[in-house]
Amino acid sequence: RKEVEQDPGPFNVPEGATVAFNCTYSNSASQSFFWYRQDCRKEPKLLMSVYSSGNEDGRFTAQLNRASQYISLLIRDSKLSDSATYLCVVLSGGSYIPTFGRGTSLIVHP
Amino acid sequence: SAVISQKPSRDICQRGTSLTIQCQVDSQVTMMFWYRQQPGQSLTLIATANQGSEATYESGFVIDKFPISRPNLTFSTLTVSNMSPEDSSIYLCSVALGAVKDEQYFGPGTRLTVT
Repeated sequence: RKEVEQDPGPFNVPEGATVAFNCTYSNSASQSFFWYRQDCRKEPKLLMSVYSSGNEDGRFTAQLNRASQYISLLIRDSKLSDSATYLCVVLSGGSYIPTFGRGTSLIVHP
Repeated sequence: SAVISQKPSRDICQRGTSLTIQCQVDSQVTMMFWYRQQPGQSLTLIATANQGSEATYESGFVIDKFPISRPNLTFSTLTVSNMSPEDSSIYLCSVALGAVKDEQYFGPGTRLTVT
């Protein structure tokens, strides 16, 4: 089983839709969780951290479920500009070495 | 965050040659990382480069193939040695920031094609 798994998609949604991605991780000692966004032919950029209590940033909501070992990203009112690959990143406790998922591709169409 | 630049942004090289990629950061950082990302794939960590110590390589990567320098807290280089077409990839450097150094900020990447 891979350490960090994501559905590669693509998720093809219309503008204004709500879309959610999940990411599962295998190491129960994982402590830090992030979502990154990567546009085509660009470097990954930090989108948001994922806190135990869940967190929201505008149209984006991230949640952590430790019992089931997954994190989620919810995007409300999708925009065309949200089209990108969303990477799940996990760090184990005491480690500075992140593990990246393969990414979930999102395509928002008019 | 940090502003990170990489040189070159892209290159086309012949097999058997070597290419050195530079990574410059606008602030002093302890931890720098080098990744490779092949088309359609996620990022694979090559090595961690901390100033003042030897780079730590991940499984499948060796110093002879990917020598790394880290002469100061704002700069690092990665050399891809004796290149083959299988080395064609995007190479990215990153730095670890944040209160507990768990946030990664990436350079724009170097797109390498080996013919």
